[in-house]
Amino acid sequence: GESVGLHLPTLSVQEGDNSIINCAYSNSASDYFIWYKQESGKGPQFIIDIRSNMDKRQGQRVTVLLNKTVKHLSLQIAATQPGDSAVYFCAENTGFQKLVFGTGTRLLVSP
Amino acid sequence: ETGVTQSPTHLIKTRGQQVTLRCSSQSGHNTVSWYQQALGQGPQFIFQYYREEENGRGNFPPRFSGLQFPNYSSELNVNALELDDSALYLCASSFTGPSYEQYFGPGTRLTVT
Repeated sequence: GESVGLHLPTLSVQEGDNSIINCAYSNSASDYFIWYKQESGKGPQFIIDIRSNMDKRQGQRVTVLLNKTVKHLSLQIAATQPGDSAVYFCAENTGFQKLVFGTGTRLLVSP
Repeated sequence: ETGVTQSPTHLIKTRGQQVTLRCSSQSGHNTVSWYQQALGQGPQFIFQYYREEENGRGNFPPRFSGLQFPNYSSELNVNALELDDSALYLCASSFTGPSYEQYFGPGTRLTVT
């Protein structure tokens, strides 16, 4: 079946470092990918998205890279801050806004 | 904050009972999707409502049902509750168009004992 998976369940970094969170997806027909941040007790918060006709998209301190050849997605966070500590999910759109989420990566930022 | 609200925040039910969860979508959004998030897992798509009709369903049994109202708010109903139904239930609203961005509410934590 369709699945979106993450390579690392927990990523620990120092404040100020750059963080990279990786994700593999399985549905080559997916046309849209999103990264969400989820803090404890809250719903997922949209971070950045990318369409399948793009390889890279940049936001404020975040960059998403899409490699369709190997079906890999990554989220780069520059100058990671303690407030970035959360669980990060990648999700793929499998058709008309029906999202398939991965299991998540917990990012821990130490001061 | 996204403007999507859900009620109640927490709920405890007994196995076999029925539950109704509610969601108010963000202003201007006409599509509501429901997700189930088990502890330590990513959200799983339950179903989506668009213009008051179900518009796609994930791998969930028929005892999971929903409604969407003319004001685009929505309900999720679960009958014959099972212990495995214990989870965070998330509602996401969006607008059909070029953007697929969905805005999530804070969720309802359901515990089935």
